[in-house]
Amino acid sequence: DIQMTQSPSSVSASVGDRVTITCRASQGISSWLAWYQQKPGKAPKLLIYSASSLHSGVPSRFSGSGSGTDFTLTISSLQPEDFATYYCQQANSLPLTFGQGTKVEIK
Amino acid sequence: EVQLLESGGGLVQPGGSLRLSCAASGFTFSSQAMSWVRQAPGKGLEWVSVISASGGRTIYADSVKGRFTISRDNSKNTLYLQMNSLRAEDTAVYYCANQVVGVTSAFDSWGQGTLVTVSS
Repeated sequence: DIQMTQSPSSVSASVGDRVTITCRASQGISSWLAWYQQKPGKAPKLLIYSASSLHSGVPSRFSGSGSGTDFTLTISSLQPEDFATYYCQQANSLPLTFGQGTKVEIK
Repeated sequence: EVQLLESGGGLVQPGGSLRLSCAASGFTFSSQAMSWVRQAPGKGLEWVSVISASGGRTIYADSVKGRFTISRDNSKNTLYLQMNSLRAEDTAVYYCANQVVGVTSAFDSWGQGTLVTVSS
């Protein structure tokens, strides 16, 4: 199974800050990586697929990059509605696996 | 607009069974793979099972293999998860999600989830 490791586990930031979350795969997954946002008590929402493609309706302040084993999710200017937990997921092979999550908290 | 609505969750004793359903609308259900993903209380996301668009291919996480069965009825736009021999560690919110590209792809849209609690 492919293990996905996110860092940091949590980050404290202020509105307007640039936030970067990293995700590392235990083996190469090309660009088969997705990012999700989850707010408390709600279902996850797809933000990015294929490492860097923005899902429909997602604000352009979200961006993704990387390939192979190392990936990054960047929020260019943090907004109040962005405080949430973010997960990466590899879509290269079964079983599909997620990172452990990164909680973005208000500083 | 894609809508996925799970139902069937509840409280069940260890060793018991439960059948979850996911009613889909807003997209061509018969052309997309579908998955179940679960989240234990306070924990992260865990993929459980996927079924191909036609229903001809099903794959399971090791943690549920031999106990859970995924199926679909494309005439009813409905996905199912039959859960047998339930254990305490199966306690979680269960989400259904569609996968536009195939069995190995991102989860495009998610339902609101249904809570399964396994406890005596």
